[in-house]
Amino acid sequence: NAGVMQNPRHLVRRRGQEARLRCSPMKGHSHVYWYRQLPEEGLKFMVYLQKENIIDESGMPKERFSAEFPKEGPSILRIQQVVRGDSAAYFCASSDPSTSSETQYFGPGTRLLVL
Amino acid sequence: GENVEQHPSTLSVQEGDSAVIKCTYSDSASNYFPWYKQELGKGPQLIIDIRSNVGEKKDQRIAVTLNKTAKHFSLHITETQPEDSAVYFCAAMDSSYKLIFGSGTRLLVRP
Repeated sequence: NAGVMQNPRHLVRRRGQEARLRCSPMKGHSHVYWYRQLPEEGLKFMVYLQKENIIDESGMPKERFSAEFPKEGPSILRIQQVVRGDSAAYFCASSDPSTSSETQYFGPGTRLLVL
Repeated sequence: GENVEQHPSTLSVQEGDSAVIKCTYSDSASNYFPWYKQELGKGPQLIIDIRSNVGEKKDQRIAVTLNKTAKHFSLHITETQPEDSAVYFCAAMDSSYKLIFGSGTRLLVRP
C-alpha cells in the first residue's frame, strides 16, 4: 500500500511565477491536509479538504494561495505570483475517516525555492 | 485557538540513555496527541499517538504519557540508539481535525 505521494519533490520558481504542488493521498483516504514548514520551524496548518470540498482553509493566506481536491486526481496546492517568503517545505497528509479520522500520514513534501 | 509548546528545543544524550520530550497544550477540548519523527529532507513519520481516554501508551522503546488535568504530554525513548537522532514534533488535534504542532526537539544520540 503506497504511502502519501507528493510531486515534485523540489521546485524552483522565480518571483512572480506560479507554483503547483500535487498530493496523492494513501489509497482509500478521502481527507487531505496541507501544512507548511519554514526552515527550523514546526509545521503550520494551511487547509483541510475532502473530495470536491474545502472543509477548513483558516491557515491559508487569503491572496495568491488556493487548494483543490477534485473527484478524480490528486489534490493541488496552487501559489500564484510567488514571492521569496513562500520558500518553504509544503507537506500533504491524508486520513481515512472510516477507520480513524484522527491519524494523519504525511508525504515526503515539496521543497519550494523562490529566487 | 489551540497552542502547543514543546521543550527542550535540543537534546543530546549518550547512546543507551533515555530521552524525554515534553509538550503542553492550551485547549482542553483537544483529545488526540500524535508524535512525529522527522529526518533530514523527509516528511514527518508518525511514531506513536495517544487519545485522551488513556493516560499512557507504550510501543517497544517508545512511550507517551498524557495528563489531561495539567494539559501536558510527554514522549519517552528508552535505550536510545544513534538512529533515533532526528527532530521530534508533538501535536494536538483541535476540534476541527487540524494538527497544531510544537516547535520541535532536535535529538542527538551520541555513540
